[in-house]
Amino acid sequence: AQSVSQHNHHVILSEAASLELGCNYSYGGTVNLFWYVQYPGQHLQLLLKYFSGDPLVKGIKGFEAEFIKSKFSFNLRKPSVQWSDTAEYFCAVTRLNAGNMLTFGGGTRLMVKP
Amino acid sequence: DSGVTQTPKHLITATGQRVTLRCSPRSGDLSVYWYQQSLDQGLQFLIQYYNGEERAKGNILERFSAQQFPDLHSELNLSSLELGDSALYFCASSEETGSSYEQYFGPGTRLTVT
Repeated sequence: AQSVSQHNHHVILSEAASLELGCNYSYGGTVNLFWYVQYPGQHLQLLLKYFSGDPLVKGIKGFEAEFIKSKFSFNLRKPSVQWSDTAEYFCAVTRLNAGNMLTFGGGTRLMVKP
Repeated sequence: DSGVTQTPKHLITATGQRVTLRCSPRSGDLSVYWYQQSLDQGLQFLIQYYNGEERAKGNILERFSAQQFPDLHSELNLSSLELGDSALYFCASSEETGSSYEQYFGPGTRLTVT
């Protein structure tokens, strides 16, 4: 079965530190890749998405992600985090021509200390 | 604000009861998705409707059912509730049903079964 793995369950950083959150998926076909963020008490918001083309994708709030097909990975990065980035981050996948249901990773809770 | 609305925000009920969760998609969106977020299972896709018809099913229990009405709002019915059904239930909507269409999430309904 298709799965999405996020290896970092909890991450604690100080402000201005760099961030990289790992995401790997197991499906071998063509996939679309997403990162969502869930701020405390709020709904899921899309940070960025990859469908095709340039494997380095830039999203909102200074986030970016790189799709490495050979590694089945789509890691999220931000060069300098802020306290307001404290949230839970979810990697998700949809499969081409297999409907639009999102398969989510287990999430990574990020805490940024001021 | 994503434009997707869900009611109620919170629901507390007893085991064995039945509840109905409601979702109104963004204006113009034809597809509605239901997801469950729980501590032990994470974020899981339950079911998708497109223009009134069921399109895809995920890990949805037989005790759960959903429908999408002609005005495109959707309802998720949960019956014979168990303690383990306590979770946050999200609705999402997208313009169409292909895998390249972004899903917009509602604020969720937090269900507590006592």
